[in-house]
Amino acid sequence: KQEVTQIPAALSVPEGENLVLNCSFTDSAIYNLQWFRQDPGKGLTSLLLIQSSQREQTSGRLNASLDKSSGRSTLYIAASQPGDSATYLCAAPTGNQFYFGTGTSLTVIP
Amino acid sequence: DGGITQSPKYLFRKEGQNVTLSCEQNLNHDAMYWYRQDPGQGLRLIYYSQIVNDFQKGDIAEGYSVSREKKESFPLTVTSAQKNPTAFYLCASSPQGFPYEQYFGPGTRLTVT
Repeated sequence: KQEVTQIPAALSVPEGENLVLNCSFTDSAIYNLQWFRQDPGKGLTSLLLIQSSQREQTSGRLNASLDKSSGRSTLYIAASQPGDSATYLCAAPTGNQFYFGTGTSLTVIP
Repeated sequence: DGGITQSPKYLFRKEGQNVTLSCEQNLNHDAMYWYRQDPGQGLRLIYYSQIVNDFQKGDIAEGYSVSREKKESFPLTVTSAQKNPTAFYLCASSPQGFPYEQYFGPGTRLTVT
């Protein structure tokens, strides 16, 4: 069964810093890897989807990379802002299911 | 606007009562999913359906039931057999096949007392 781990569980940074969130998975037979953002009490919003054949994907200040062979993905956030404060989750679809990490709770301090 | 709607946003029930959570999507997606989210535990899959009139149990299906009579709708019933039903419930959908991207509704917070 696929297991997805996210480290760290929580992160606090001052505004303007660049930061990296990590996601690791045990089964490399994934179709893609999807990064989500979740605000308190809300649903998940898709940020980036990296196809299994790609190595990275970019959207604005966000850049996600994927290394299937090592079972790792990273989400890089440039020039962080207080509005980036949220929980970030990664998901790896394997077989007929999506497997989620427990998330990294990010706080950006003004 | 295309998307997934869940209603109600907040739901309160007395212990021993069954309750049904609504999930509707107009994205024309084949697959739909129900997840439960508890603090510090991430998302756990309850049930999923890949086509109308067919669904499969996820990791924590005990005490829950679903139906998929229409492509757009995938209601979840939390029965009195569910030992600890208070949680945040999320519905999602994805198109069948590539790119397997998942889309989420806003969630329903169920409180059972």
